[in-house]
Amino acid sequence: GAVVSQHPSWVICKSGTSVKIECRSLDFQATTMFWYRQFPKQSLMLMATSNEGSKATYEQGVEKDKFLINHASLTLSTLTVTSAHPEDSSFYICSATGRGTASTDTQYFGPGTRLTVL
Amino acid sequence: GDSVTQMEGPVTLSEEAFLTINCTYTATGYPSLFWYVQYPGEGLQLLLKATKADDKGSNKGFEATYRKETTSFHLEKGSVQVSDSAVYFCALSPRNDKLIFGTGTRLQVFP
Repeated sequence: GAVVSQHPSWVICKSGTSVKIECRSLDFQATTMFWYRQFPKQSLMLMATSNEGSKATYEQGVEKDKFLINHASLTLSTLTVTSAHPEDSSFYICSATGRGTASTDTQYFGPGTRLTVL
Repeated sequence: GDSVTQMEGPVTLSEEAFLTINCTYTATGYPSLFWYVQYPGEGLQLLLKATKADDKGSNKGFEATYRKETTSFHLEKGSVQVSDSAVYFCALSPRNDKLIFGTGTRLQVFP
């Protein structure tokens, strides 16, 4: 139980285009979702926290107009990287906590999405 | 600010060897401490956790003890298996649902 999926698993796009990444909780209701970014050989950095039906809370230094987060339902959150540039290339990971899991305060992680901007 | 430091990898061991992956933290207050594991091609999974000083988390033969006096949460296993090969992340939560991760340590176990 408590499975989180991400789609796509990898994406390559041209500079200036926008990319949408989906994060879904498959067997539980994700009341809170988290988006992380991971650079090679570095730790996961929290980008934002979103609660279903409300605006995301962004960490200091994360541009909210560039990284649009929508958490419209209890099973889906999306991260849209707008006007992507090569420096946005990274591994993006989502996680979720919520109802219907063995531990409501444990974060369950998706497998990640690798974004490469050319 | 709060932070986690863990040993750089890769850690390379033979099967049945003893494993230690060091983790130390800096935090105000009394955070919860976690070890997550990421197997190839999969998302991070919670391996074990401890919520207060002197607590010992354990799972799948892995153990870690919350040491407040040394601000450490070292991961240990008495006898590793090839299937334990993965990346291990130490993390802390300053009791606000957020997780602060270390850089991860890759473990490679050879038969």
